[in-house]
Amino acid sequence: EDQVTQSPEALRLQEGESSSLNCSYTVSGLRGLFWYRQDPGKGPEFLFTLYSAGEEKEKERLKATLTKKESFLHITAPKPEDSATYLCAVQAINSGGSNYKLTFGKGTLLTVNP
Amino acid sequence: NAGVTQTPKFRVLKTGQSMTLLCAQDMNHEYMYWYRQDPGMGLRLIHYSVGEGTTAKGEVPDGYNVSRLKKQNFLLGLESAAPSQTSVYFCASSYSMGTGIAEAFFGQGTRLTVV
Repeated sequence: EDQVTQSPEALRLQEGESSSLNCSYTVSGLRGLFWYRQDPGKGPEFLFTLYSAGEEKEKERLKATLTKKESFLHITAPKPEDSATYLCAVQAINSGGSNYKLTFGKGTLLTVNP
Repeated sequence: NAGVTQTPKFRVLKTGQSMTLLCAQDMNHEYMYWYRQDPGMGLRLIHYSVGEGTTAKGEVPDGYNVSRLKKQNFLLGLESAAPSQTSVYFCASSYSMGTGIAEAFFGQGTRLTVV
């Protein structure tokens, strides 16, 4: 069974204090790892997709990296508007037609104080 | 672009009542999904569809039924609502990329309370 574990559950930072969120996964074979941002009362919003170990993607103050067992979302010099829940999801290479599903972690609630 | 639209946004049901949640997408995506999100549990897949006329069970399908009569619509039904179905429901859609899927696009959610 595919498993995704995110840590920490919650993280509080001061504005400008860089940090990283972790997403560790267990799948039979990884087709893709996705990062989403979710604001209160809204649906998840897509950030990045990573497909292979060593891959990195950046968007403004966010950088996502991938290894064979985990992914990190690095946040550089965060601002209060970066406060949100960050979700990680994996798409596994499975038989039986399940290549079309995403398995989500429980998320990390990030709060950035001014 | 509307993207993924869910109707209604809020609903309160009494135990035993039935209702249907509607999801519509205007991106011509093949794949559509229904998730529920509960505190401390994350997003859990209820049912999904890989094309018009097809449906499949996800992680937590009991108590729910779905239909995909048109490519753009995916309906989630609760035949006899129970308090355990109090949750926020999200619909999502995606498209194929190789032998997998690209990123999923989510609706704004439906907050359902069963009393």
